[in-house]
Amino acid sequence: AQRVTQPEKLLSVFKGAPVELKCNYSYSGSPELFWYVQYSRQRLQLLLRHISRESIKGFTADLNKGETSFHLKKPFAQEEDSAMYYCARQIQGAQKLVFGQGTRLTINP
Amino acid sequence: KAGVTQTPRYLIKTRGQQVTLSCSPISGHRSVSWYQQTPGQGLQFLFEYFSETQRNKGNFPGRFSGRQFSNSRSEMNVSTLELGDSALYLCASSFAVGGGEAFFGQGTRLTVV
Repeated sequence: AQRVTQPEKLLSVFKGAPVELKCNYSYSGSPELFWYVQYSRQRLQLLLRHISRESIKGFTADLNKGETSFHLKKPFAQEEDSAMYYCARQIQGAQKLVFGQGTRLTINP
Repeated sequence: KAGVTQTPRYLIKTRGQQVTLSCSPISGHRSVSWYQQTPGQGLQFLFEYFSETQRNKGNFPGRFSGRQFSNSRSEMNVSTLELGDSALYLCASSFAVGGGEAFFGQGTRLTVV
């Protein structure tokens, strides 16, 4: 089965500190990986995807095939980054997404 | 352009009843997927439709069904509701199958009493 694991349900850091949200996936072929974010009272939205290799809102994520990881990082956390973050893997040839359990990130002032 | 629209936003049903939820995708999008979101299980895939055909189905009982119409709008139906079906049901649309960004609706909050 294709699994996505986010080991931390809760993560709390201070404003200005670096943040890393962990994501590991079960190895199977060439994964298509995403990070989705859900801010309070807003719909789930795409934050970034590994093939674009871009930085969104200061966040980056690098695919490490050796460690089967796709950790999300930001060097300096902002209060507006407080949200629920989901790592997801798209099933090849489909639109189906397999989500991790999510990590609730809280940025303390 | 208008986002993914789900109706109704909130529903309260009694055990044993059935319910139909609706999803209107972004104009031009032909792929629609449904997910169940609960505090305990997180986001679980229900089904995926493209051009009126179900392409994938998640690990849910047969009480959960869905369909897609020629205009890409989709509905999902849950029959013989159980308390455990209480959840936020999310619909996502995308232009094509595979590789494209999924745009999510606000969800329908179903409460079974």
